[in-house]
Amino acid sequence: QVQLVQSGAEVKKPGASVKVSCKASGYTFTSYHMHWVRQAPGQGLEWMGIINPSGGSPTYAQKLQGRVTMTRDTSTSTVYMELSSLRSEDTAVYYCARDSRRWSFDYWGQGALVTVSS
Amino acid sequence: QSALTQPASMSGSPGQSITISCTGTSSDVGGYNYVSWYQQHPGKAPQLMIYDVTNRPSGVSNRFSGSKSGNTASLTISGLQAEDEADYYCSSYTTTTWVFGGGTKLTVL
Repeated sequence: QVQLVQSGAEVKKPGASVKVSCKASGYTFTSYHMHWVRQAPGQGLEWMGIINPSGGSPTYAQKLQGRVTMTRDTSTSTVYMELSSLRSEDTAVYYCARDSRRWSFDYWGQGALVTVSS
Repeated sequence: QSALTQPASMSGSPGQSITISCTGTSSDVGGYNYVSWYQQHPGKAPQLMIYDVTNRPSGVSNRFSGSKSGNTASLTISGLQAEDEADYYCSSYTTTTWVFGGGTKLTVL
């Protein structure tokens, strides 16, 4: 069965960086793109970007351009999302979500809470 | 990219039907048949309920259905059940990126 297992919760200070991982299993890792979506406390979902595990340049949401970097490691079937210059507004649960090949997100990780606080 | 517009909250009684709207523009909802809907219970990850405007993934109840007219997509839940109480989000593809709606909190009275 498809599983996306994310790294644990993090607490970071403003200005720092955070790197969240998402390990995929149960399917061919390189056959499906992966998205990152975040959700601030009590707020809605925000699309952050998409990466092709087979290679090529990720596509990022314009709002996060310059601060977000998505990478992948095919040897471990893991994708990573790194966000730099953290501010309090970046406090959120960060999800990885598999692209269904039908312009939607069919499997989601359990989420990773990132708290930015001085 | 602005978020798609959804009603903040809706409510219905068990057995009733409700329809949640999702309004965008010709650049997203109106421009592609790539609208999807997600159900999210408190503290849980979202779950895909509808994709490509009208299609249900395997395992999703046929009480859930989707449609679209112009720049507005809709999710209809028929025969409301207590377990349907959750937050619902629409999403649309829009020229290499994706956008979500602000979410609708559905209360089953």
